[in-house]
Amino acid sequence: QSALTQPASVSGSPGQSITISCTGTSSDVGGYNYVSWYQQHPGKAPKLMIYDVIKRPSGVPDRFSGSRSANTASLTISGLQAEDEADYYCCSYAGSYTWVFGGGTKLTVL
Amino acid sequence: EVQLVESGGGLVQPGRSLRLSCAASGITFDDYAMHWVRQAPGKGLEWVSGISWNSGNIGYADSVKGRFTISRDNAKNSLYLQMNSLRPEDTALYYCAKDTGPGGGDCSLDYWGQGTLVTVSS
Repeated sequence: QSALTQPASVSGSPGQSITISCTGTSSDVGGYNYVSWYQQHPGKAPKLMIYDVIKRPSGVPDRFSGSRSANTASLTISGLQAEDEADYYCCSYAGSYTWVFGGGTKLTVL
Repeated sequence: EVQLVESGGGLVQPGRSLRLSCAASGITFDDYAMHWVRQAPGKGLEWVSGISWNSGNIGYADSVKGRFTISRDNAKNSLYLQMNSLRPEDTALYYCAKDTGPGGGDCSLDYWGQGTLVTVSS
C-alpha cells in the first residue's frame, strides 16, 4: 500500500485550465475503475469531486473532470475560479478491500 | 440531513488504547459501507480501515493492521475503531466517512464527519 504519487503543487490563473496527475500501479489506479478525487479547503472535511474515474456527484460543477491513462489518473479543472484554491487528493481501490490516497496537491489560483 | 459525528479522541500515552465512535443520522446506516480516514497535522489523507454494510468485508491499511479493529452496530447506527498499541505516528485527526454503496468497492466517500483528534504522546 504505497501512497499514490501527486505533484506537491500546481497553480493557474482565473479562467485557465489545470490538470493534476495521480500515478499508481497496475495494482491500484490501472487495475480498477475505482479512482476518485477529493477537494479539501483548510480546516474542512474533504469533499468528493469525482468517482469511478470520470463520474461527477450531483452538485459538482462540470468544470471538474476526471480521466485515466494506464496507471495515471488525472483531474482537470477548467475555467479556474478563486474558490477552487484548495488541496486535492486522489484515491484508488488497491485490492483485497483496501484503498490508498495520493499525497495531495495544493492548488493555488494566482 | 446526513450527519456523522465522531467522538472518543484525546491524548493517550504510547502503547495505550483508545476507542473511537461515529454516530450516523439522516441515512439508512445499514445500506452503506463505512470508512475511517486519518490526517496527521499538516499532512495528507490516509485511508485507515473500511467495513461493508453487513461487516462481511473488512480491510485495514498496513500501518494499522493487527493493532486497530473496525466494527459497526447497525442497530445503533454507529461505527467504531478500536485502536490498540498506539504509536506517536498514529497522531492525527480521524474522520468517519460514508461510502456511496453497501460494498465499498470504489473510493467514493460522499459524507464525512468533522473528525476527532487523537494525540499519542508521553
